[in-house]
Amino acid sequence: EVQLVESGGGLVQPGGSLRLSCAASGFTFSSHAIHWVRQAPGKGLQHVSAISSNGRNTYSADSVKGRFTISRDNSKNTLYLQIGSLRAEDTAVYYCARGYDSSGLIDYWGQGTLVTVSS
Amino acid sequence: DIVLTQIPLFLSVTPGQPASISCRSSQSLLHSDGKTYLYWYLQKPGQSPQLLIYEVSNRFSGVPDRFSGSGSGTHFTLKISRVEAEDVGVYYCMQSIQLLTFGGGTKVEIK
Repeated sequence: EVQLVESGGGLVQPGGSLRLSCAASGFTFSSHAIHWVRQAPGKGLQHVSAISSNGRNTYSADSVKGRFTISRDNSKNTLYLQIGSLRAEDTAVYYCARGYDSSGLIDYWGQGTLVTVSS
Repeated sequence: DIVLTQIPLFLSVTPGQPASISCRSSQSLLHSDGKTYLYWYLQKPGQSPQLLIYEVSNRFSGVPDRFSGSGSGTHFTLKISRVEAEDVGVYYCMQSIQLLTFGGGTKVEIK
């Protein structure tokens, strides 16, 4: 069974930083691209970042570029999102999600971790 | 960026009745490889999104056959032939031909 378990969320002050983690199991982690998608309270879904299966290629949305860094450790089956210079508008549930193949199809999602940016 | 527009924003359906959601794209989602990169997801209350349909009309594993997808180019539709109580939630379309973007969502409730 494919499982993605996020952790690391919490309350952080504006300008602060956090590192989110996503522990994967039930599939060959090193064979899949992984995405971060966020959802602000009561709002829709926004693709934030993605990383290729080998970690060499990454993508970050313009709204987070330079502030968020995605990385992965295939030896630990774990994905990371370092988020910094946080703003109130970064408040959201952050989901990690598995890319099925190179098409961009996302087939499985984690349960999410809530990041709240507030003073 | 490709913009996906979903209609309606809200749908109230009697159990057993059909439902239909439209997703319109600002650009064609037909790739030169012949595939169309449009997907549908359902986010049930308090849960993460789950994949229903991929590449316009293919049901994902375990998805009931009352769900069907159709369309081409820039116009797509998700249909539920007979809505059940467990189908409540917010439905999103998503495209992946150019980065990844989601529609704004359609909330479905049971009357």
